[in-house]
Amino acid sequence: EAGVVQSPRYKIIEKKQPVAFWCNPISGHNTLYWYRQNLGQGPELLIRYENEEAVDDSQLPKDRFSAERLKGVDSTLKIQPAELGDSAVYLCASSLRTDTQYFGPGTRLTVL
Amino acid sequence: QQPVQSPQAVILREGEDAVINCSSSKALYSVHWYRQKHGEAPVFLMILLKGGEQKGHEKISASFNEKKQQSSLYLTASQLSYSGTYFCGTEHTDYKLSFGAGTTVTVRA
Repeated sequence: EAGVVQSPRYKIIEKKQPVAFWCNPISGHNTLYWYRQNLGQGPELLIRYENEEAVDDSQLPKDRFSAERLKGVDSTLKIQPAELGDSAVYLCASSLRTDTQYFGPGTRLTVL
Repeated sequence: QQPVQSPQAVILREGEDAVINCSSSKALYSVHWYRQKHGEAPVFLMILLKGGEQKGHEKISASFNEKKQQSSLYLTASQLSYSGTYFCGTEHTDYKLSFGAGTTVTVRA
C-alpha cells in the first residue's frame, strides 16, 4: 500500500514569493492533516480536513496561508507571501476517521 | 496544550534500556508515540487509549497512567535502529494531537 505522497520535497524561495505544497493521502483515508515542524520541535497542526470540509483551521495563519482539498482526496497548502519565519518542514498526514495518523516525508521550505 | 517530554536526549549503548516520559496538564483520551529519523517522516509506533487498550506493532512497550495524565515509552535491549527522535502526541476530546518537543535517542555500538 502506498504511503502519503508529498511534493516537492525541498523548496527554496525568496521572501514575499508564493509557494504551494501538494499532498496525496493514503487511499481511503478521509481525514487529512497539514502540520508545520520547526527545527528541534514536534509537529504543530495547521489544518484538519474530514473529506472536503476543513473541520479545524484554528491554527492556520489565515492572512497568508490557505488550503484546499478538492474532491476530498488531494490537498494543497499555499503560502502567499512567504516570510522568513515560514522556513520549516511542512508535513501532511492522513488517517481513517480519527484513527492512527500516517505522515508523509514532508516538504522542507527555506525562505531567503 | 503541548505535552512535556523528558529527557530531552539520551545516549545508550546497544542492549541498554531507556524510558521516555510524556506528561500533559489536561485529561488525556489517548497517547500516540512516533519515531522520526533525521530528514524522514515521523513513523507511528504505538497508541495507548483511555481504558487501557494498547495498539502497536514494534517490540517497544509503553504505559499510560490516566490518573497522572502521563505516558512512558520503554526501550528495552536497545538496538542501533532505535536511534531517532521520539515524539508523544496527546489527544484530548477534540481529536487533535498535540506533540511534545521530542526526545533524541542515540544508540551506539
